Amino acid sequence: GQQLNQSPQSMFIQEGEDVSMNCTSSSIFNTWLWYKQDPGEGPVLLIALYKAGELTSNGRLTAQFGITRKDSFLNISASIPSDVGIYFCAGRDYGGSQGNLIFGKGTKLSVKP
Amino acid sequence: GAVVSQHPSRVICKSGTSVKIECRSLDFQATTMFWYRQFPKQSLMLMATSNEGSKATYEQGVEKDKFLINHASLTLSTLTVTSAHPEDSSFYICSASLTEAFFGQGTRLTVV
Repeated sequence: GQQLNQSPQSMFIQEGEDVSMNCTSSSIFNTWLWYKQDPGEGPVLLIALYKAGELTSNGRLTAQFGITRKDSFLNISASIPSDVGIYFCAGRDYGGSQGNLIFGKGTKLSVKP
Repeated sequence: GAVVSQHPSRVICKSGTSVKIECRSLDFQATTMFWYRQFPKQSLMLMATSNEGSKATYEQGVEKDKFLINHASLTLSTLTVTSAHPEDSSFYICSASLTEAFFGQGTRLTVV
């Protein structure tokens, strides 16, 4: 079946540093989504990408839909303590039903003040 | 973004009892909703696809008689964990879609 590899698994950074995480898939996706999940909460959508090459920002967050359609990255600039959480990428392929997403295993972000 | 509300957020039940979890789309109609299960420090695992007015579609390995899904209206899907056992303790999350998937707040189920 389809696989989606997300890396790194975890990151420990200093406040103010930039963060980068990425996801790669074994097949082509037509949609990439990035979510953040706080402990005990459901995932919250951060950025949605629909076109190959698309670069989208949301405040200090920037994400790109890879040109090959098999990868995406998320960058966080000037991290702050409230950025702590687990970040998930999710993708949907051309054959997938709406909303039936494949999730990465998550990147756990820890920020030292 | 769209709002999906899940209730309850936490529930503790005795072994052998049943628990119902509700998932509502508050500002849009959802013909399809999705139920996930999440183990500690792991990603979301799709359990089933809930279809309004028809039977749910279950993922391989998920017992349909154990996890009953009802999607009686365009804004409400329910997941009932029947005859719960401690191994059913987990974090259950629902989602509904417009073009992106929006998630409920999750339900922490503890079976004692």
